[in-house]
Amino acid sequence: NAGVTQTPKFRILKIGQSMTLQCTQDMNHNYMYWYRQDPGMGLKLIYYSVGAGITDKGEVPNGYNVSRSTTEDFPLRLELAAPSQTSVYFCASSYPGEGHTEAFFGQGTRLTVV
Amino acid sequence: GQNIDQPTEMTATEGAIVQINCTYQTSGFNGLFWYQQHAGEAPTFLSYNVLDGLEEKGRFSSFLSRSKGYSYLLLKELQMKDSASYLCAAFNDYKLSFGAGTTVTVRA
Repeated sequence: NAGVTQTPKFRILKIGQSMTLQCTQDMNHNYMYWYRQDPGMGLKLIYYSVGAGITDKGEVPNGYNVSRSTTEDFPLRLELAAPSQTSVYFCASSYPGEGHTEAFFGQGTRLTVV
Repeated sequence: GQNIDQPTEMTATEGAIVQINCTYQTSGFNGLFWYQQHAGEAPTFLSYNVLDGLEEKGRFSSFLSRSKGYSYLLLKELQMKDSASYLCAAFNDYKLSFGAGTTVTVRA
């Protein structure tokens, strides 16, 4: 069982470049989340989705975009990379059924913008 | 919005007990999670409290008081491998929001 898979694991971007961080889950979870984690800090919510076709902003959405065309996939797009976006990005998914299950996390993408 | 507070750091001795407190202020509260995160790794689930009271899972226990907006994670019989960051997270209005995390250092 793969769980939550993120690609790539590492990436170096130049300022102004764009990229898409991929996230896919095979647990048929409705809810998916994107977080960023700066060194020594907690997780900050960028965007989340409660189902295919539905997305909403979290705490720090500026500079990012998302889409949710299928239940499995929730890609995060950076259009014009900035040094402030250097961080570790985590994707997570959960199923909000009775006795809400925990969120499962991918292994993270370490992004450096130079 | 939400505000989730927990101490930044705690240090304890191997074999001891440590209690990590978390206070939260949030609308539409549904439940409180605790996660463990080792350096360079993804968070992993420890516990989930929906109702008031204590949930025990081996060496780890978690407590919730909804009326006080308060939770704690209790780590007993500390081991060196418990050195990690412990994240408190509130589930509300479809969102899972995290505190800044508490770094626990276990010393021999």
